[in-house]
Amino acid sequence: RKEVEQDPGPFNVPEGATVAFNCTYSNSASQSFFWYRQDCRKEPKLLMSVYSSGNEDGRFTAQLNRASQYISLLIRDSKLSDSATYLCVVNSDMRFGAGTRLTVKP
Amino acid sequence: GAGVSQTPSNKVTEKGKYVELRCDPISGHTALYWYRQSLGQGPEFLIYFQGTGAADDSGLPNDRFFAVRPEGSVSTLKIQRTERGDSAVYLCASSLNPGSRNYGYTFGSGTRLTVV
Repeated sequence: RKEVEQDPGPFNVPEGATVAFNCTYSNSASQSFFWYRQDCRKEPKLLMSVYSSGNEDGRFTAQLNRASQYISLLIRDSKLSDSATYLCVVNSDMRFGAGTRLTVKP
Repeated sequence: GAGVSQTPSNKVTEKGKYVELRCDPISGHTALYWYRQSLGQGPEFLIYFQGTGAADDSGLPNDRFFAVRPEGSVSTLKIQRTERGDSAVYLCASSLNPGSRNYGYTFGSGTRLTVV
């Protein structure tokens, strides 16, 4: 089993839709988790940390489920500009998932 | 510096040649990471430095790959006898406090290596 696995993409959604991605991890001792966004031919950029209690940043909500060992990212009211690849990373392992590609269409 | 700087941005080399890729992390960041990314894939972990020492080099694919960080700031990734399969974007990232949930990685814009 890979250390970090993500939902296979691509996700194609209309503007305004709500979309969610999951990311599972294998190391139960992992303590810190992040979501990154990567645009085509650009470097990954930090989107948000994932806290145990769940956290929200505008239209984005991140959650952690320790029992099932996954994190999730929810995007509400999706915009065209949200089109990108979303990567999760388990900080203690320094391993990234393969990424989930999101395309938001008009 | 203000961000993570990687040079060169692009490197084309012939199969069998030696290459060096440089990473200048954010000033004060003690943790430095090298990843490589192929098209359509996530970043693949190569090596992690904490200060001058390689804390985890388990991602280096073979002994042709080596990295150093002699003064705890700039790092160089060295690839000997390059092969076409080494072609990828090599990303460097740095972090202020590895393991903290408050600090993620800041990436450089990468070096695109093409082995012909």
